[in-house]
Amino acid sequence: DIQMTQSPSSLSASVGDRVTITCRASQSISRYLNWYQQKPGQAPKLLIYAAFSLQSGVPSRFSASGSGTDFTLTISSLQPEDFATYYCQQSYTFPWTFGQGIKVE
Amino acid sequence: QITLKESGPTLVKPTQTLTLTCTFSGFSLNNNSLSVGWIRQPPGKALEWLALIYWNDDKRYSPSLMGRLTITKNSSKNQVVLTMTNMDPVDTATYYCARRVRRFPDHTNWFDPWGQGTLVTVSS
Repeated sequence: DIQMTQSPSSLSASVGDRVTITCRASQSISRYLNWYQQKPGQAPKLLIYAAFSLQSGVPSRFSASGSGTDFTLTISSLQPEDFATYYCQQSYTFPWTFGQGIKVE
Repeated sequence: QITLKESGPTLVKPTQTLTLTCTFSGFSLNNNSLSVGWIRQPPGKALEWLALIYWNDDKRYSPSLMGRLTITKNSSKNQVVLTMTNMDPVDTATYYCARRVRRFPDHTNWFDPWGQGTLVTVSS
């Protein structure tokens, strides 16, 4: 299985901060990497697909980059509604796997 | 509007079989760029992909749960059903279904949207 490791393990930030979350795959996954946001008691929501494509309706303060094994999700200016847990997910090969999640608090 | 909703028991006993139904609207599983998957999340833990069913009835399962999972679809009813046998307390989780979208020609794919999830507790 491809292991997805996110860092940092936890993240404390303030409104207006620039926040960067990293996701590393245990082997190359090209651009088959997606990012999801999950708020407490809610289902995950797609933010970014195919490594850097912004899902429709997602604010432009969210951006992402990377390919191969190393990927980043950036929030340019953290807003109150962005406090949530963020997951990366590889869809390069089965079984599809998720990172452990990073809670932004 | 695309929606998915999970339904099934909230409590099952150890060794029992769990049957969950995902009822969706706003898309068709007759579309070869779409499929439906199941993902679960134990309380306070990360997401775990379980199974996927394609438009042509092809199926994929998590190897760690292979043998316990069966995914089926009824395209005319817009439903996908997941069964999991021999339930154990460690299977206590919120179970989500989600539409899987595949983009051509690069075949990248993702889950969007997700159902609201259903919490299943395994306890005697």
